[in-house]
Amino acid sequence: DQQVKQNSPSLSVQEGRISILNCDYTNSMFDYFLWYKKYPAEGPTFLISISSIKDKNEDGRFTVFLNKSAKHLSLHIVPSQPGDSAVYFCAASASGSGNTGKLIFGQGTTLQVKP
Amino acid sequence: GAGVSQTPSNKVTEKGKYVELRCDPISGHTALYWYRQSLGQGPEFLIYFQGTGAADDSGLPNDRFFAVRPEGSVSTLKIQRTERGDSAMYLCASGRAQEDEQFFGPGTRLTVL
Repeated sequence: DQQVKQNSPSLSVQEGRISILNCDYTNSMFDYFLWYKKYPAEGPTFLISISSIKDKNEDGRFTVFLNKSAKHLSLHIVPSQPGDSAVYFCAASASGSGNTGKLIFGQGTTLQVKP
Repeated sequence: GAGVSQTPSNKVTEKGKYVELRCDPISGHTALYWYRQSLGQGPEFLIYFQGTGAADDSGLPNDRFFAVRPEGSVSTLKIQRTERGDSAMYLCASGRAQEDEQFFGPGTRLTVL
């Protein structure tokens, strides 16, 4: 059972426009969500995160929105740049006693930003 | 400073052979995770170490997979009697603590022929 889903395998946007990447989850125990970016031949690198006590977190061009009732989060990149072209993974974890911080990842969305 | 390193970067082996994959975490990081990523999928959790002990090995697919971290730093993932289905990218990540940000290494691409 896929607990974290990214239903769009790919997304193509024009440079300067907004990129919106979506992620859905099923496990209500998840309370911490992250986005990772991955370039070919490199490991995933942390981009931005959000705790379930918030509904928005912003860091420069990157903003993550969390809708707990819908079990949905999204990553907005504004403005998009060609260097943003990569695979983006949504991940979730559950905190608290007995949980180990392991991340549950979605399948990834390949973003292409065209100049 | 140095990030997480993994060796080898690529490993090609034959079905039935034994392989070892090495992970050097960031110095001082006590939490260490192994993940496996198959083509077109996201990383899947295998095992978590807090210090020297495996605190959570619930992601290991079967008893052919084993991992150690004897001195609380370097970790080795060991796969016995490899099968073609073991072919994947094996990723290691470390963190200051179990709920801290995880820093990933570049991975080892394992191919079982």
